[in-house]
Parts: sequence; structure tokens; C-alpha cells
Amino acid sequence: DVKVTQSSRYLVKRTGEKVFLECVQDMDHENMFWYRQDPGLGLRLIYFSYDVKMKEKGDIPEGYSVSREKKERFSLILESASTNQTSMYLCASSPFRTGNYGYTFGSGTRLTVV
Amino acid sequence: AQRVTQPEKLLSVFKGAPVELKCNYSYSGSPELFWYVQYSRQRLQLLLRHISRESIKGFTADLNKGETSFHLKKPFAQEEDSAMYYCALSVGTGGFKTIFGAGTRLFVKA
Repeated sequence: DVKVTQSSRYLVKRTGEKVFLECVQDMDHENMFWYRQDPGLGLRLIYFSYDVKMKEKGDIPEGYSVSREKKERFSLILESASTNQTSMYLCASSPFRTGNYGYTFGSGTRLTVV
Repeated sequence: AQRVTQPEKLLSVFKGAPVELKCNYSYSGSPELFWYVQYSRQRLQLLLRHISRESIKGFTADLNKGETSFHLKKPFAQEEDSAMYYCALSVGTGGFKTIFGAGTRLFVKA
């Protein structure tokens, strides 16, 4: 029944490493999103994509990039990991419709940068 | 600016008591509002949408445009309602951008 899958539940990386977070959805959704979730700050949008090879910056894109080569897969890339990027990362997807039916979330990747 | 405010970080109630989780928003357009819930060790999931006016697990939420609020209510809290609740505002067609509040942790005591 899992519809949005994030490849890793926990990751520990060293400062300066390049980090890839993968997300796959099987619902044929057009829109995909990456958020980070921090206590007291809620969810903040990093990047989103509404089509293959398309991407848009969210509210906190600095230090991140994304890739969407296939409709079902949306990757978040930390070019050079830093300790302030230690967080829970959530991937979500939604269909493109005139009505808004909300998001389906993955189970999250908890990234620790040491 | 678009903003969602949940003034309470933690809300603690006794089982059987009414519960209200507050949410206020700031948006100049026509808002689409949601409540999401995250139970312990589970993924974040949609609880309800204002546009559908549905009741899920006994929770309801009414959009008050005059007060720019979308408070979540339940008349009788249950222990299994203990979770993190996020209010969210979607802007743009197809939910291109959803802004989340900081969340309220609800703790229902036996």
C-alpha cells in the first residue's frame, strides 16, 4: 500500500559530502515536493516539480538542488552537506488537478550531518 | 505575505474533553486549507480538507474568512488522538505550493 517511498529512513553523512535523497511515487502524480521538517518550524518547502525535468525553488532552496528525470522519481541533492542541514526530509506528491486534494507523504529520511 | 500560524506548540487535554487546535492564516486570495496529522512513528497524512466539509475521526474544521481561521475541533478527545497536527494553506493551481504551520502537539491524558 506504500505509495511514496523514500529510499533511506536514516542517513549519517560527513560535512562536505554530496548527499542524494531519493523519492519514488507510484500514483502517476505530476507534482512532487521536498520539505524539511524541524521542531518549532513545521515543514518548509525546499523545491518542487510539476513535470519531468521541471523544477521550482521553494522557500529554502539554498544548499540544495533537485533532479526529476522520470515522472515517478524526484531526487534531492545536498551539494556539500553542512551540519545545519541535519533534519527530517519529507517527500510528497499530488496530482495536477484544478481541485486540490492534498498531498501524499513519504515516511521521511532523517539525515544527520556530522 | 502568505503565512499559517498555530499559536499553541502543545495542547494537553483529558480523555473525553473537547479539543480545539487553533489555526490562523494570512492570504489575499481564496484559501484552500487542510489539516494534516502525524501519529507517532507514522508518516504525515491528510486529515481533512476545508472544501470537502467532511468529518474524519470525529474532527471538523470550519473556515472563517472573517477571522481568517480554520480551527480543528473534536467534541470528545480520545487517547488515540494524541499526535502532531499541522494546519496547511495551499496556493496556486493543483497545490503547487503548500505552506505549513509550525504544528501543535496534542496530548490526550487518560
